[in-house]
Amino acid sequence: DIQLTQSPSFLSASVGDRVTITCRASQGISSYLAWYQQKPGKAPKLLIYAASTLQSGVPSRFSGSGSGAEFTLTISSLQPEDFATYYCQHLNGYPRTFGPGTKVDIK
Amino acid sequence: EVQLVESGGGLVQPGGSLRLSCAASGFTFSDHYMDWVRQAPGKGLEWVGRMRNKANRYTTEYAASVRGRFTISRDDSKSSLHLQMNSLKTEDTAVYFCARAYSSSWGGDYSDSWGQGTLVTVSS
Repeated sequence: DIQLTQSPSFLSASVGDRVTITCRASQGISSYLAWYQQKPGKAPKLLIYAASTLQSGVPSRFSGSGSGAEFTLTISSLQPEDFATYYCQHLNGYPRTFGPGTKVDIK
Repeated sequence: EVQLVESGGGLVQPGGSLRLSCAASGFTFSDHYMDWVRQAPGKGLEWVGRMRNKANRYTTEYAASVRGRFTISRDDSKSSLHLQMNSLKTEDTAVYFCARAYSSSWGGDYSDSWGQGTLVTVSS
């Protein structure tokens, strides 16, 4: 099974900051990766698929990059509504593992 | 507008059974693969399983943690997805989400729409 790790697990940042979250896969998965945002008590929301394709309706301050086994999610200028937990998920075979999550909190 | 609404959650004793449902609307349900994902209280997301569409013979995939105990089914005539959970354990306590898998021209698929979830509590 493919394992995903995320770093950091917790991040404290201010509005306007540039934020980068890393997701590493235990083996190469090409660009078969998605990023989700989840707020407390809510369902996850798809942000990015195919490692770097922005889902329709998602603000352009979100971007994804990487391929193979290392990926990043970047928020170019953190907004108040971006404080949430972010998960990566591989889309290459089964089980469709999620990363452990990165919580972005207000500094 | 795509809508997914889960139901059927509740309190069940260890060893018991429960059947969750997911009612879909706003899209052609029969075209899509569908997933179940769960989240234990205060924990991360865990993929539970998938059912493919009729064109792919309704085949299924499961996480090792639920294989042999959980069964996914669907009724395309009613645009509904189900999760039959047997031999429940305390560690199955979680919010269960259904999610639509969307296949794009990119060649992969991803969960683009999610329900609000239903809470299953396994406790004596």
